[in-house]
Amino acid sequence: EAQVTQNPRYLITVTGKKLTVTCSQNMNHEYMSWYRQDPGLGLRQIYYSMNVEVTDKGDVPEGYKVSRKEKRNFPLILESPSPNQTSLYFCASSAGYNEQFFGPGTRLTVL
Amino acid sequence: AQRVTQPEKLLSVFKGAPVELKCNYSYSGSPELFWYVQYSRQRLQLLLRHISRESIKGFTADLNKGETSFHLKKPFAQEEDSAMYYCALNSGGYNKLIFGAGTRLAVHP
Repeated sequence: EAQVTQNPRYLITVTGKKLTVTCSQNMNHEYMSWYRQDPGLGLRQIYYSMNVEVTDKGDVPEGYKVSRKEKRNFPLILESPSPNQTSLYFCASSAGYNEQFFGPGTRLTVL
Repeated sequence: AQRVTQPEKLLSVFKGAPVELKCNYSYSGSPELFWYVQYSRQRLQLLLRHISRESIKGFTADLNKGETSFHLKKPFAQEEDSAMYYCALNSGGYNKLIFGAGTRLAVHP
């Protein structure tokens, strides 16, 4: 089944403890993105990647890192999480200028 | 600045009533606009895009460049249409989407 998977789905952590949220897609898509969803703000793009080893900042990149060493994977790294990064995170992938396929979301709470 | 505005946080209607979810955008180039929908406990998924000019699940959306709008319409709402709807703008390639804040549609029996 063609899909985007994210892990973990739920995570509670403490301030300053490094964490990684994984994202993987099996559709051979070039483009991948990370978004955060907050009430009243909709989805805001954190980082995106056009292909392997090619990434760029979205609208809210502060406090996040990404890497794209393989086409299928696009992990989101929080080196030192803070409470304002408590949010619902979505990974998405697409082929060219087409529809974006979204993962199921990761709900992160930083205490 | 590129922006997508959805003025209504919640739209509540009765089954069979017409629905219009508003979306206005700010973009200097030729816009590429989408509507995404998120049903309860499901992933965000594409509903329709303006270049396709298609009707999906009875919904249509027309791009009005003069009014910079891309409102989503359905003549007769169904209970299964209850969901969160997001208008999105592709802001210059590489699928860099800018989303509106979303409108929750609640269709009551």
